[in-house]
Amino acid sequence: NAGVTQTPKFQVLKTGQSMTLQCAQDMNHNSMYWYRQDPGMGLRLIYYSASEGTTDKGEVPNGYNVSRLNKREFSLRLESAAPSQTSVYFCASSVLQTANTGELFFGEGSRLTVL
Amino acid sequence: GDSVTQMEGPVTLSEEAFLTINCTYTATGYPSLFWYVQYPGEGLQLLLKATKADDKGSNKGFEATYRKETTSFHLEKGSVQVSDSAVYFCALYSGNTPLVFGKGTRLSVIA
Repeated sequence: NAGVTQTPKFQVLKTGQSMTLQCAQDMNHNSMYWYRQDPGMGLRLIYYSASEGTTDKGEVPNGYNVSRLNKREFSLRLESAAPSQTSVYFCASSVLQTANTGELFFGEGSRLTVL
Repeated sequence: GDSVTQMEGPVTLSEEAFLTINCTYTATGYPSLFWYVQYPGEGLQLLLKATKADDKGSNKGFEATYRKETTSFHLEKGSVQVSDSAVYFCALYSGNTPLVFGKGTRLSVIA
């Protein structure tokens, strides 16, 4: 069982370039999330999708867009990358965002460097 | 809004030492509380959880008790091993927004 799969694992971009991070889960989860992890800042929520067809902003959405392509897939797009977006990005999923357990299942992360 | 505060790291311990990582929270209602662990080069994984006051979560020798009166969920382990070296995140879920994480505490255990 693959769980949550993210691609690519590593990417280097130049300022102003665009790219999409892909995420897929095979656990039939309803809710999916994108977090970024920066030193000293912990994990910060960028966007989430409580269920197929819905997306909501998290704590740090500026400079990003998301698409919930279907129940399995949730992509994160950087339209015009900036050095401040250098980070490790994690995709996660959960059974239901409204279920009172809150347990998330994480991918292995995508390390992005913007020069 | 909901928030989690955990002790600053890094924490360096010798093997077999006792570990405590403090975590306090602010939340409306009665949140569920979690500890996640991130081993080097990996994503986060759930270590333990507690869903109501006075519950004790435990896993792999780690324990944490949900203390509503002190709004705390401190992580403890009686005897750490080198393999416990990782970053530990305290988190809460109150049902209003997705999981809220603390900033993480890096633990290094030396032989």
